[in-house]
Amino acid sequence: DMKVTQMPRYLIKRMGENVLLECGQDMSHETMYWYRQDPGLGLQLIYISYDVDSNSEGDIPKGYRVSRKKREHFSLILDSAKTNQTSVYFCASRRQFSNERLFFGHGTKLSVL
Amino acid sequence: GQQVQQSPASLVLQEGENAELQCNFSSTATRLQWFYQRPGGSLVSLLYNPSGTKHTGRLTSTTVTKERRSSLHISSSQTTDSGTYFCAINMGYKLTFGTGTSLLVDP
Repeated sequence: DMKVTQMPRYLIKRMGENVLLECGQDMSHETMYWYRQDPGLGLQLIYISYDVDSNSEGDIPKGYRVSRKKREHFSLILDSAKTNQTSVYFCASRRQFSNERLFFGHGTKLSVL
Repeated sequence: GQQVQQSPASLVLQEGENAELQCNFSSTATRLQWFYQRPGGSLVSLLYNPSGTKHTGRLTSTTVTKERRSSLHISSSQTTDSGTYFCAINMGYKLTFGTGTSLLVDP
């Protein structure tokens, strides 16, 4: 159905709590991404995954880690969340070695209080 | 690192007017793409345009790689065109986004 699904859509956590953001895609895309979007800053790349258990840091990986155990699923983990990690997080996927369309999920709005 | 700058930061038009959005980038190897984000929504890929001129519907993109710039022209704007437009450059696997142009089209 060519879809990237993110769960949950909204999340409120307290500082110091652990956070798990989940992303799934049904297109068997090898490459997946996690971005965060903050007002005035556009999208900033957190992590890239090339395939299962093959991940690489993006531009702002500090405070985040990822897990990719199945091709269709890519998780973003915040261990001991901080207030400055309040943001909208987007997951995206596309075929490997492709300049074609990048598919985005609808985003997860995370508030860390 | 890669730099992508967009102008203007925001733009207000009357329905029917044309819009011209600019993107400047720091690398000649860009594989540039344009994206659209409706208010509060997700991003959608509009055009992949590494060089030359590409059209889709009312959208025209012109990329001059050696001058490190690209433009997105929206003709006969509609209220449903309102939202934020991003350009992004692609180096290998990494896709770096500009900060976007916020477009508001008034009826």
